[in-house]
This record gives sequence, structure tokens and C-alpha cells, in this order.
Amino acid sequence: EPEVTQTPSHQVTQMGQEVILRCVPISNHLYFYWYRQILGQKVEFLVSFYNNEISEKSEIFDDQFSVERPDGSNFTLKIRSTKLEDSAMYFCASYTGGTGELFFGEGSRLTVL
Amino acid sequence: AQSVTQPDIHITVSEGASLELRCNYSYGATPYLFWYVQSPGQGLQLLLKYFSGDTLVQGIKGFEAEFKRSQSSFNLRKPSVHWSDAAEYFCAVRGYSSASKIIFGSGTRLSIRP
Repeated sequence: EPEVTQTPSHQVTQMGQEVILRCVPISNHLYFYWYRQILGQKVEFLVSFYNNEISEKSEIFDDQFSVERPDGSNFTLKIRSTKLEDSAMYFCASYTGGTGELFFGEGSRLTVL
Repeated sequence: AQSVTQPDIHITVSEGASLELRCNYSYGATPYLFWYVQSPGQGLQLLLKYFSGDTLVQGIKGFEAEFKRSQSSFNLRKPSVHWSDAAEYFCAVRGYSSASKIIFGSGTRLSIRP
């Protein structure tokens, strides 16, 4: 079965450092998303991406965040200068559009010290 | 504003007992509706979805959900739970546009009593 893959599975970083989380969506999917889940809390929408541009972003997705699809397969989330409150599980998701299913990756756990 | 409410933070049921997890939504029009399950430290797995048609939908692992438009609800049910069903369950909604984001409820943690 096709799957969304995310790397790294766990990253520990110092506050103020830049972090890049990587995702490989399912190959024929057109819509891509990043979500985050702070430990014990709900899954929150960060950003959606379609046709090489951001479709929508939440108020969480401020200037320290950026997304990119550098090579037509990877989909990355960059956090420019991490803060303690960025510690969370970050999920990538993709789907074909329409009534297709949204597939989630296993997540990347980010710990900011 | 678009929102999903799961009023039960934590539910404990005995193995073999029936289960119902509640979900209410607020959306401009009838959205697409989903239930996801998350085991500890794992990703999100789709249990079932409702787009249109029959308001009782069947999903994986013996789960079903019923869409009730008049109550803006989409409750998840299972007639007999198994210990392996212990997990976090999230109700979610999405608009009809392909670019619409999924909005998740706050989740219900299910524990199973032996």
C-alpha cells in the first residue's frame, strides 16, 4: 500500500536552531499538508500546498515557518529559529483531491531544548 | 467558525462492551466527515469517512458511524470493543473543495477495562 514517509522520526535541537522536516508524499497526490500535535493535544492544521504554492495557512504558520517542494517529490517544512513551544509531533499528509483519502505519515517528533 | 467538538476527553469501557464516541461539528454546509484513530506514538489511521448517501457508514476494525444532519453529529460506534481498540480517536471535518483542510476535534482517549 502506498504511504507517506517522513524523516527524521525524532529530532532534538537547541532553541534558536533551524530545523527541516522532510516528507515524501504519495507519488500521484496533488495536495500536501503539514499538521502538528503538541503532546496530549489536538492535531492542528499548519499549512496546505498545491500547485507549488501555499493554498492556506493557519495563524500558527508565522514567518518562522516555510514550506517547499524542492524537487517534485519531497515536501519540506522549515522552522527558521526554533522555540521551546515548537516541540511537537509534525505530521505530513497528502491526497489526490476530490473525495480521495488523506494519507498521513508517521510523524516527526521535534524536541526543542 | 468551523469547529469539531468531542465532548468526552476520556472513556473507559469493558472489553466486549459496546462503544459510542460522540462528535458534533459546526460548519457552513454539510462537510465531509471522518474518524481517525491514533495509537500511542503512531500516526493517524482513517477508520471511516462520510461524503454523501447512506448516513450509516462502515469502516475498518468493525467500526461504524452515523451522520445525523439535524444534530450536526457523526458519532462513532462499535458493538463489542477489543483490548486492541485502546487508542485516541479523532473526529474530523473537511469542506468540499479539494484544497480544504481537515479540521480535527480534540480527541477522545479510549481505555479498555479487562
